[in-house]
Amino acid sequence: DTEVTQTPKHLVMGMTNKKSLKCEQHMGHRAMYWYKQKAKKPPELMFVYSYEKLSINESVPSRFSPECPNSSLLNLHLHALQPEDSALYLCASSQGTDDGYYGYTFGSGTRLTVV
Amino acid sequence: AQSVAQPEDQVNVAEGNPLTVKCTYSVSGNPYLFWYVQYPNRGLQFLLKYITGDNLVKGSYGFEAEFNKSQTSFHLKKPSALVSDSALYFCAVRDKAYGQNFVFGPGTRLSVLP
Repeated sequence: DTEVTQTPKHLVMGMTNKKSLKCEQHMGHRAMYWYKQKAKKPPELMFVYSYEKLSINESVPSRFSPECPNSSLLNLHLHALQPEDSALYLCASSQGTDDGYYGYTFGSGTRLTVV
Repeated sequence: AQSVAQPEDQVNVAEGNPLTVKCTYSVSGNPYLFWYVQYPNRGLQFLLKYITGDNLVKGSYGFEAEFNKSQTSFHLKKPSALVSDSALYFCAVRDKAYGQNFVFGPGTRLSVLP
């Protein structure tokens, strides 16, 4: 298995809703990432988990809450989002964070629309 | 600080012609350089990377890239473009001395015309 699987593929939520995005990989990668991507822009790093511990939080608002229950699974919990949070949310994984030799494997993303 | 520039927002090329997508970078140490491609509503797919060694790197789908240290460039090339190559292309750098996270360029949209 050489994929990163993200669910759901599409999500529409109201500003008062609570929802979660899920990301799963079975490649034995020990680093996992959440990115946010607006249309025609490069991905922006949100969070990095290394060995199931949060190592980087790029000043992301608290309405986004990451969780890494185990080495294969990464969640992003959403609460009280704003319309400007509408974007493609990408999950990625890599063998580690200590050596830049390794590239990332990206999932296909969740297209989030906040109404 | 690390940075990546892709000077062209859009590149148009006729099918069968060679294509080049440009990338220049700035890092404090030795760069690890990557190219990714993104099709509509999809994640990024790895094309190729330069870590060390031969300056000409061959990757997926017939793409290759040339690392030029003196010009701090890592241009993506393909000898004969296909319509199916039309997509958004991102150059990215990781600087081992600075940190391990990617810095992505702004992206270049490639359109291959039949």
